Amino acid sequence: KQEVTQIPAALSVPEGENLVLNCSFTDSAIYNLQWFRQDPGKGLTSLLLIQSSQREQTSGRLNASLDKSSGRSTLYIAASQPGDSATYLCAVQTGANNLFFGTGTRLTVIP
Amino acid sequence: GAGVSQTPSNKVTEKGKYVELRCDPISGHTALYWYRQSLGQGPEFLIYFQGTGAADDSGLPNDRFFAVRPEGSVSTLKIQRTERGDSAVYLCASSLSQENEQFFGPGTRLTVL
Repeated sequence: KQEVTQIPAALSVPEGENLVLNCSFTDSAIYNLQWFRQDPGKGLTSLLLIQSSQREQTSGRLNASLDKSSGRSTLYIAASQPGDSATYLCAVQTGANNLFFGTGTRLTVIP
Repeated sequence: GAGVSQTPSNKVTEKGKYVELRCDPISGHTALYWYRQSLGQGPEFLIYFQGTGAADDSGLPNDRFFAVRPEGSVSTLKIQRTERGDSAVYLCASSLSQENEQFFGPGTRLTVL
């Protein structure tokens, strides 16, 4: 069974700092990998989707990379802002069609 | 455009009762997924529909859980004889087809007293 791990579990940074969130998965046979943002008590907002044939995707201050062979992905957030404070979830889609999620990294950006 | 919607947003029920949770996917999305998220955890897959049929229900924890999507659009997750351990946020997602980006609804927070 696919297992997804995210480190760190929690991260606190001052405003303006660049940061990296890490995600690893055990089975490299994936279709794609998605990064989501979840605010407290809310649903999930899709941030970036990387297909298995791609190496990275960028959206604004966010950049996600994928190294399928080593089972790793990183989410890079540039020039962090207090509004970026949320839980970030990584999920991989396998041949079973459903997403396997990590437990998330809770990010706090301090003004 | 309208996203995925879920009703109710909150549901409080007593142990042993029956509950129904509703999901309205994005129009035109043929794939629909149900997930369950416990506090401090990532969502866990329950069931996947492609059109009207349940293509994969391997995530349903037991036979008290059942889901339908009779017309290939709206889906209802049904839980019989609820237990306190069923308390969680139930999330619904839809996508154009399998392997496409999944879009999530706001979830239904179920509390079983």
